[in-house]
Amino acid sequence: GQNIDQPTEMTATEGAIVQINCTYQTSGFNGLFWYQQHAGEAPTFLSYNVLDGLEEKGRFSSFLSRSKGYSYLLLKELQMKDSASYLCAALDSNYQLIWGAGTKLIIKP
Amino acid sequence: GAVVSQHPSRVICKSGTSVKIECRSLDFQATTMFWYRQFPKQSLMLMATSNEGSKATYEQGVEKDKFLINHASLTLSTLTVTSAHPEDSSFYICSARGAGRENQPQHFGDGTRLSIL
Repeated sequence: GQNIDQPTEMTATEGAIVQINCTYQTSGFNGLFWYQQHAGEAPTFLSYNVLDGLEEKGRFSSFLSRSKGYSYLLLKELQMKDSASYLCAALDSNYQLIWGAGTKLIIKP
Repeated sequence: GAVVSQHPSRVICKSGTSVKIECRSLDFQATTMFWYRQFPKQSLMLMATSNEGSKATYEQGVEKDKFLINHASLTLSTLTVTSAHPEDSSFYICSARGAGRENQPQHFGDGTRLSIL
């Protein structure tokens, strides 16, 4: 079957760095997305990786290893507003998104 | 960037009422639209995928006669929750994708919070 695994919850300190991991098993692979979702709101797009390596966008970076079925989202210089759920989603061979359950990130002052 | 508008943002109604939610792509042609449901503290659950001009494809366990989806144009899809009951109370979110953009991010509406009394 198809499966996405990511931690349920993580806690980090304001100003620090946090890495949220995601492993995936899909029927075929056409890329991996990271979305941010604040409580009571719809998800917003953060990043897309289809090739191995690191993609950097400001304070957020996303990494992919296709051979390992692994990705991570790296958040630097954490701010209180980064408190949210972070959703990992893989695109399978039919271009269907397989969603992870999300990682709730709690930022403490 | 691409914008998806979802309306209404919140609905409170009595049990047995049918509720229609609209999802519009404002600046692109959405050949495919997705309808999700999210219960508190749970992940997004895909309910159905709709392609313009054809019948929606429902995920296993989603009643197609209860959740009616219409995607009659390239900019509008609607989800009607028929004879809603309290267990249908949830956060419903639509997203849209354009033709030839299967590996592009889905653009989400702001969601509709449905509360059935």
